[in-house]
Amino acid sequence: GDSVTQMEGPVTLSEEAFLTINCTYTATGYPSLFWYVQYPGEGLQLLLKATKADDKGSNKGFEATYRKETTSFHLEKGSVQVSDSAVYFCALIFRGSGNTPLVFGKGTRLSVIA
Amino acid sequence: GAVVSQHPSRVICKSGTSVKIECRSLDFQATTMFWYRQFPKQSLMLMATSNEGSKATYEQGVEKDKFLINHASLTLSTLTVTSAHPEDSSFYICSAPRGGSGYTFGSGTRLTVV
Repeated sequence: GDSVTQMEGPVTLSEEAFLTINCTYTATGYPSLFWYVQYPGEGLQLLLKATKADDKGSNKGFEATYRKETTSFHLEKGSVQVSDSAVYFCALIFRGSGNTPLVFGKGTRLSVIA
Repeated sequence: GAVVSQHPSRVICKSGTSVKIECRSLDFQATTMFWYRQFPKQSLMLMATSNEGSKATYEQGVEKDKFLINHASLTLSTLTVTSAHPEDSSFYICSAPRGGSGYTFGSGTRLTVV
């Protein structure tokens, strides 16, 4: 079945360091891809998304490009801040009729230290 | 807008007791609610899908008699863990689709069964 694999955490970085969180997927067809973020004590929030190959999603300095050839959607940020400390989830969905649930990766905890 | 309020955020209960988790959509009507469970270092796994006014649809391997889901109104869906055991200790989170590619998540419930 469809699945998402993302790098294991936790990831600890110093402020202003470069961040990459790898995400690959297995799916039949071409899903929409998402990154969600969960800050401590809060629900998941959509960070960015891409709906077709070569699309680049971006938000708050984070970017991810939908790579069909490598079935990947790696999350990157050039300079992380302490406020970026959170758990990041890669997810996919196929659009069909009706409401369809997201398929999530395991989540990667990021800790940024000053 | 589009907030899902989930309660309680944390609960500790004794083995054999039941626990009810509520998810309320505060400013929109949630005809569908997805219920997920996450074990440590694992993915968010879909447990069941509830639809207002009809029976929930459970994923394979999820005991419907143990995890009772009720979606009696357009703003409230509940998950009751009956006769809880330590292996039910987990993080439970609800999610409501909002059309397009939008999903709203509750903040999650950390259940510990002792």
